[in-house]
This record gives sequence, C-alpha cells and structure tokens, in this order.
Amino acid sequence: GDSVTQMEGPVTLSEEAFLTINCTYTATGYPSLFWYVQYPGEGLQLLLKATKADDKGSNKGFEATYRKETTSFHLEKGSVQVSDSAVYFCVAAGAGSYQLTFGKGTKLSVIP
Amino acid sequence: GAGVSQSPRYKVAKRGQDVALRCDPISGHVSLFWYQQALGQGPEFLTYFQNEAQLDKSGLPSDRFFAERPEGSVSTLKIQRTQQEDSAVYLCASSLGGAGYTEAFFGQGTRLTVV
Repeated sequence: GDSVTQMEGPVTLSEEAFLTINCTYTATGYPSLFWYVQYPGEGLQLLLKATKADDKGSNKGFEATYRKETTSFHLEKGSVQVSDSAVYFCVAAGAGSYQLTFGKGTKLSVIP
Repeated sequence: GAGVSQSPRYKVAKRGQDVALRCDPISGHVSLFWYQQALGQGPEFLTYFQNEAQLDKSGLPSDRFFAERPEGSVSTLKIQRTQQEDSAVYLCASSLGGAGYTEAFFGQGTRLTVV
C-alpha cells in the first residue's frame, strides 16, 4: 500500500529562519500530494497540494514541489513566524483513491 | 454549519463499555471519512461513506467498530466493548468529492481514553 515518510520532529527554529521538512512517498501510479497543518487546539487544515509531477503547491509563504524522480514533496518556507508553530503532516492520496495516507507529523516550534 | 463538528470532544470510557462518537459534516458534502490517530502518529483511515452508502470499511480494526450514516448527513462511529488499545483521537472529515481530488475538511476530533 501507499506510505509516507517525513522528517521526525520536533523542530525548533528562531523567527525568520528557513524551514525545510522533508517528505518522501511510496505509491502506485501518480498520487496527489498534500501538506496538512494542525495548529494548537484546532483541526487539520489543508495547507497546500500538488496533483501532478513538477507541480508546485504554495500558500501562506509555504511551498512544496512534486518531484516524481525522487518521490519527494518537501515543505519549505523562507522565513518562519511564531504563528507557524504547529504540527505539519505530509499526505498522499493514490491515483483515483479517496483514502489519505498520512506521515507521522512534524512538530514545529518557532521562538521569537 | 461552518465546519465539521464532532462530539463529544473528550470521552473517558471504562474498559468494556460501548461508546458512540458523532460527526456533523459540512452541509452538502457527499463524502465522509473516519480516521484514527494514535498518540504521536499520523491519522489512519478507518472508513468512507458516499452519501449514506458505506463504500469502504477496510480500515476498521475489528468487528467491535461500526459506523453508520443513515440519512447521508450525520455519521456515528460506535465502538463496542472498548479496550485500552482503542484509546486515540478519532477524526471525521468531509469533502464534496473523493479526497484525492477535492479538499477534505477535518473536525477537531474526539479524544477517547479507555481506562
């Protein structure tokens, strides 16, 4: 079945630092890829998505590029803020599938 | 409603007790999903409804788990004879279509603790 492996946390960064959270996937065909975020006390929210190879998803200063050759979908942000502190999940949905396969999540803490 | 609503937010059950977890999806959303999230893990798929039809229950861990959505709106996840390994956060999500193509909106979850 499909699987997602993402960088283990927790990750602690100073405000304005550069963020990378690595994510690789295993899936049949060409899955859709997502990053979901869970802010403290809130439900999971879609942060960005990419549905085919070389697509770049972006939102709120975050971006991730669907790399078929390396089966990766790394999340990046050039300058993090305290408000970005949350748990980030890399997620795959197999081609034609409604099931979401989640990574274990990476907890990010940004300190002033 | 404005989003997916789940109740109760927290539930403590004695081992062997039956529990029922409720999910109110976004109005008009055809698809409804249940996921189980153990501590420190990502959510794992339990079951999927399209309207009132349960199209996939392959993720339900045992026959003690049962889900229904009788009128194609509100859904209930029932766990019979709860055991300690059932302790987890149970997440409900809804979407206009299948999650692979349209955004899945998640509720805040029900945290179940079996003692």
